[in-house]
Amino acid sequence: QKEVEQNSGPLSVPEGAIASLNCTYSDRGSQSFFWYRQYSGKSPELIMSIYSNGDKEDGRFTAQLNKASQYVSLLIRDSQPSDSATYLCAVNGGKLIFGQGTELSVKP
Amino acid sequence: KAGVTQTPRYLIKTRGQQVTLSCSPISGHRSVSWYQQTPGQGLQFLFEYFSETQRNKGNFPGRFSGRQFSNSRSEMNVSTLELGDSALYLCASSKLGHTYEQYFGPGTRLTVT
Repeated sequence: QKEVEQNSGPLSVPEGAIASLNCTYSDRGSQSFFWYRQYSGKSPELIMSIYSNGDKEDGRFTAQLNKASQYVSLLIRDSQPSDSATYLCAVNGGKLIFGQGTELSVKP
Repeated sequence: KAGVTQTPRYLIKTRGQQVTLSCSPISGHRSVSWYQQTPGQGLQFLFEYFSETQRNKGNFPGRFSGRQFSNSRSEMNVSTLELGDSALYLCASSKLGHTYEQYFGPGTRLTVT
């Protein structure tokens, strides 16, 4: 079992829709969780961090954490074509472990 | 505030050679982590340095090594390069360590021929 798992996608949503990205992790001792966005040919950019159960909102982005279910998600509201990128989930399990990423495509 | 900088941005080396990559963290950040990114394996953790000490290491062979200087700048070295070492090498800095938010540099694209 991979330590951090994400649906590889691609996930395609129409402009203005909500994009939902999911991530599960195996280490129950993990304490910090991050979402990074990576445009093609660029380095990962931190967009959200979450440390406790529940929701955390920042603009159009909402991160959700459920430690009991070992599940982290990222919701992007009012998706824009500029949101098209690969989204990487990262979990701190002693070292930062990344999922393989989910490719998101927002169609105009 | 200036971001993480990495030099060089692109590098072409021959199998068997060695290479040194450099990373300057964000001002005030004391932790530097290195990652290797390839299409097949994704982003993999190499090692983390904090206050000139290696605090954590990933599952890479001993050909991969690093160090951190007193000004928090870090270097990573790969000896006896293999074709499979071709990758994007990313450096990330953090204020207090890997448990905290990490910010990535632009990366060094290494091609081994």
